[in-house]
Amino acid sequence: QKEVEQDPGPLSVPEGAIVSLNCTYSNSAFQYFMWYRQYSRKGPELLMYTYSSGNKEDGRFTAQVDKSSKYISLFIRDSQPSDSATYLCAMRSTGGGNKLTFGTGTQLKVEL
Amino acid sequence: DADVTQTPRNRITKTGKRIMLECSQTKGHDRMYWYRQDPGLGLRLIYYSFDVKDINKGEISDGYSVSRQAQAKFSLSLESAIPNQTALYFCATSDLTGTDTQYFGPGTRLTVL
Repeated sequence: QKEVEQDPGPLSVPEGAIVSLNCTYSNSAFQYFMWYRQYSRKGPELLMYTYSSGNKEDGRFTAQVDKSSKYISLFIRDSQPSDSATYLCAMRSTGGGNKLTFGTGTQLKVEL
Repeated sequence: DADVTQTPRNRITKTGKRIMLECSQTKGHDRMYWYRQDPGLGLRLIYYSFDVKDINKGEISDGYSVSRQAQAKFSLSLESAIPNQTALYFCATSDLTGTDTQYFGPGTRLTVL
């Protein structure tokens, strides 16, 4: 079993929809949770960063962490065609160097 | 100019050849990383370096070696390439301040025939 599980999709939604992307994990030592966005033929770029449990909002994006369920989510409101990309969750524990464990990524397509 | 650059961007080579992938950064970060990305497997850490004199193996270091020539340069070598090393390779950097966010380069697409 992988430490981090993420549905690969693809997920196709109409423009303006609310998108929910999720990851589950098994390592209770994970404390830092990230979402990266990766456009085709590009490197991943950090979208959201959350420490421990709770919510964080940035514009149309909201990241949620539920450590009791070992479950993290990324919500995208009013989705746009420019949001079409692969979304990768990543997480790490305190200490042990800044070694990230990534999910496999969910491919999202927002259609006009 | 991009903060993290990788060369080459694409490379096709044959089994048994020695290959070097190069990474340079202008972000002034001490920490550098090499990952490979495969469909269905996500990003996996190959090697990482926290400063010029520090090199550490990651999750999948077998068949790879690295060299940290300077704070800004970190190279990945495949001594004798094999077909299952065909993948997308990414370099990343981070620093100790703030969130220690990793910043990725544009990637190198390597094909081993």
